[in-house]
This record gives sequence, C-alpha cells and structure tokens, in this order.
Amino acid sequence: DADVTQTPRNRITKTGKRIMLECSQTKGHDRMYWYRQDPGLGLRLIYYSFDVKDINKGEISDGYSVSRQAQAKFSLSLESAIPNQTALYFCATSDGGMKETQYFGPGTRLLVL
Amino acid sequence: AQKVTQAQTEISVVEKEDVTLDCVYETRDTTYYLFWYKQPPSGELVFLIRRNSFDEQNEISGRYSWNFQKSTSSFNFTITASQVVDSAVYFCALSEARNNNDMRFGAGTRLTVKP
Repeated sequence: DADVTQTPRNRITKTGKRIMLECSQTKGHDRMYWYRQDPGLGLRLIYYSFDVKDINKGEISDGYSVSRQAQAKFSLSLESAIPNQTALYFCATSDGGMKETQYFGPGTRLLVL
Repeated sequence: AQKVTQAQTEISVVEKEDVTLDCVYETRDTTYYLFWYKQPPSGELVFLIRRNSFDEQNEISGRYSWNFQKSTSSFNFTITASQVVDSAVYFCALSEARNNNDMRFGAGTRLTVKP
C-alpha cells in the first residue's frame, strides 16, 4: 500500500463550489504539505503543518484553507473554487530534521469549470 | 529568497545518448539542501536524491549521476545511456536549513527519450 494517499484522484467542480481534498499518510511523519503544480511553474507550496496544532501559510495560500485532523491526515479546502485553481495538487510528508526529504502522494487533478 | 532555475524546458534525445539536466540555484543561506525529483507520465513524484551544501562530492547511482558545484551554484543531473523509461519531467528543488519548511522547485525539464 502507498505511504501517502490522496482522495479523490480526479475531481471536476463548478465555480463557487466548496471542495475538499484529503491526504493520509502511514509514514508516521509529523510534517505535511500541500502543493499545487501548474505547467511551467513547477510546484508551489500552499500550506504546511509541522504537527497537529501547527498550521502555516505557504507561498500561495489565498483561496485555500487546511485542516490537520490527526498526525496522519491533512485536508485542503477550496472554499469557493475558481477556474484558475485548476491544477494538479500534491500532498507531501517529511520527518523534518536536518535531512528532511519530502515524499509525495500520487496527486489530485482538479478541474474547475 | 531562494530560487531554482531549470533553463531547459524540454530536451529530446535518442535512446543510449547521455543527457544532462541543468539546475542553478540562489540562496543566502550557508546550509541548504538540494533535491531532484522525477515525475513520469503517470504523474507521481519520485524522490531521486538529496544533497546538503557541505557535501560537494559527486554522486553516482547506476546510470544517474549528479554534479554539485557551489562555485557556480549548480546541481546538474546526468543520465548516461538514456532509456525510454527515463522519459519524464525532472524537478530540481532547494530548501534552506533556516527555513526548511519551504522547498522551492524549479519549473522542471521535460525529457523525452526516443527509441
């Protein structure tokens, strides 16, 4: 079984709808991240969390919110989806420390019409 | 702020050719980490390597090798005797120790290996 899972894998929604993307991990890592990937822009950090009580904004947090329900779960919400939020979204985890390496989920393709 | 530049948007080679993917970075930190990830057509991101700023030794892993040069702020990735399965988008990334929550990615290089 995959260490980092994301649901759904694909989602089509309409402008103005609220949607939630979920991420679960079995790696036992404290740190979790949400990124979006757009063509030609690489990955950009939306939010990150170092533990259940810690939530931090990333480079592009506007229009998004997150919830860290447990060490293993980190959800990303689009409160009112807009077309320019159409992207590939990745969740990642890491164990932190000086040798931090992030491990990524399979991604969620989101299309906002 | 840290920055990663992958100037090559797309590269196309024929199988068995060697290919080098360039990565140039900017940082003001003295302690930082560099990464390469592979994104095959299936879309997932696969971790390839991590390097810290104090270790400039080049690394070889099978057909893959990495050349880290602090003098030119580069962390280039070479695939020797490329294969069709190497076709993917490759991302270089940088995180600073003082800010290691914030990993900045380059825009990626799409490598196509033709049979």
